[in-house]
Amino acid sequence: IAGITQAPTSQILAAGRRMTLRCTQDMRHNAMYWYRQDLGLGLRLIHYSNTAGTTGKGEVPDGYSVSRANTDDFPLTLASAVPSQTSVYFCASSDGGTGFNEQFFGPGTRLTVL
Amino acid sequence: QKEVEQNSGPLSVPEGAIASLNCTYSDRGSQSFFWYRQYSGKSPELIMSIYSNGDKEDGRFTAQLNKASQYVSLLIRDSQPSDSATYLCAVATQGGSEKLVFGKGTKLTVNP
Repeated sequence: IAGITQAPTSQILAAGRRMTLRCTQDMRHNAMYWYRQDLGLGLRLIHYSNTAGTTGKGEVPDGYSVSRANTDDFPLTLASAVPSQTSVYFCASSDGGTGFNEQFFGPGTRLTVL
Repeated sequence: QKEVEQNSGPLSVPEGAIASLNCTYSDRGSQSFFWYRQYSGKSPELIMSIYSNGDKEDGRFTAQLNKASQYVSLLIRDSQPSDSATYLCAVATQGGSEKLVFGKGTKLTVNP
């Protein structure tokens, strides 16, 4: 593994189903983030974690949950998917300890909720 | 509400020209500024970061920051068709694990 990986690459999901998007980084970064990107709306932060064991809400957290059991993994769960959650989801990470906040992105997951 | 504004474009320049991308931000407490490049269907890629007023050069890219005017720009010299992408401006209010606010991006097309 080099950098950030996300799985699955894409997924078509029936409304009402539960879905977990996976994100793993091997850079030992403290902070991790989940964004969604929609045409015309740009990148919007869903949830973040400054360090293992802590999480926080971003701009659009409703309908999503996260956990941060360890440094490397930061899964995003949709408990009951709705069509408005159709989007491209990006996971990102940053060192968070140097005073700066350069974030590096994973390849993304394209999710379609029907 | 912290906002980051970019010209929506699209911006079209001929090959070899200078492309100028602009960004303004609303939060005067912002300290860290970033430019990301995003090719169609791909994830954002960090290309420049700037933290102090003035210019920062890296190859064909120059980032310019003016905190008094709350303005940050990216210049691409000798533009190449491979520079055609959407450029995202991002602003953080504090150092460390602080959240970024992204602009909606400017789509750049470099014509051969």
